[in-house]
Formats: sequence, structure tokens, C-alpha cells
Amino acid sequence: DGGITQSPKYLFRKEGQNVTLSCEQNLNHDAMYWYRQDPGQGLRLIYYSQIVNDFQKGDIAEGYSVSREKKESFPLTVTSAQKNPTAFYLCASTNPRRGGYNEQFFGPGTRLTVL
Amino acid sequence: QQQVKQSPQSLIVQKGGIPIINCAYENTAFDYFPWYQQFPGKGPALLIAIRPDVSEKKEGRFTISFNKSAKQFSLHIMDSQPGDSATYFCAAGNTPLVFGKGTRLSVIA
Repeated sequence: DGGITQSPKYLFRKEGQNVTLSCEQNLNHDAMYWYRQDPGQGLRLIYYSQIVNDFQKGDIAEGYSVSREKKESFPLTVTSAQKNPTAFYLCASTNPRRGGYNEQFFGPGTRLTVL
Repeated sequence: QQQVKQSPQSLIVQKGGIPIINCAYENTAFDYFPWYQQFPGKGPALLIAIRPDVSEKKEGRFTISFNKSAKQFSLHIMDSQPGDSATYFCAAGNTPLVFGKGTRLSVIA
């Protein structure tokens, strides 16, 4: 089965702790993305990567970090510097092509709760 | 220039009705306009998408209307069913996509 997997599904963190959310895809996609979803806020882009060993900040990168050492993996670390990390986190991937229908696939999400 | 404005925030329709969700964008360089459907606790799934060289696209009960000059596009759901109750997001761009804030649709029997 091809797709995107995110783990864990639920994650609880104490204040001051860093946590890492996993995202793996077996779609052979070049680009991967992390979004944060809060009620009424839509999908806000945290970081994205269009190629291995390269990534760019999105609209709300502060307090987050990423790495892209392998094409299929794009982990997100929520650091203690993120003031309000409780949210639903979504990973996505696509093969960007100018002039094409660049379907972006989403994973099932990780719900992070800070206790 | 990077915003996508989506309306309404929420919508309630009777079964069989035709809910319409609207989006407006600013960046004329955007060349791909998808709609996503999301059920509670799940990731969004692509519903239908359009490129700016056509004005309308239909897939089953879902239709996108696209007005390039007005920089607007909309989603119509024909013969809506309770199973269509979900949150719908429009998006625009290429990579990365810019998403609207979503519309929560409730279809009541």
C-alpha cells in the first residue's frame, strides 16, 4: 500500500519538553510538508522540503525544526520554544510539476497535547 | 498576495440541496486550484482540482467553477447527502499550496 504514515497518532508532552513527530512516505515523492491545524485556522504551513537535505520555513516555523536526510522521511521536532504547541499536525507529500495536477497527499495526522 | 479567502465558514443544507463554497485568491501566478475534504480526526483528501485554462470541471456530484478574471473559484455539491458532512478546504498555488481556512458543511436529512 502506497501512502503517508504518521506516528504516533496521539502524543502528550509536558511543558518544556521537545518531541519529534514522524512522517514517512513510500510514494517516491520529492516534496514533503508539515502543516499545523487549529480549529477555525485552516492549514498553516510550518516547513517544507522539495529535495533531500534542503528545506524552507513556512508561515509559522518558529519553535519547530525539521530534517530531510532521506527522501521518504521528514520528521518534525516541536521544541520547548513553541509557546502553544497543542494542535493537530499533518504531513503531506507531492511531486511538484509545473503545469500539472500536483496532487498533494496527506497523512492521517498526529494530535499533540501539552499537559 | 499569498492569501486564499474562503467563505462561508460554516454551512447547513438539507439533503438534496446544493451547497456552494467560494474562494478568492490574489496571486495571478497561481496555476493549480484543488479542493480537499476532511472528516474529523482524519487527514484531508483531494476531492477535485482545476487548472486556470478551463472554467468548469465536474467529477461525480462535485463541480468546480473557475473565474480567472475575478480570481475566484467555487465548489458545488449536487444532491448533497449526510455523508458529505465534512470540512472543505480550497487551496491555490503550486508548491507550496496556500489553503483557505475551511468551511464546515452539515447536510441534514
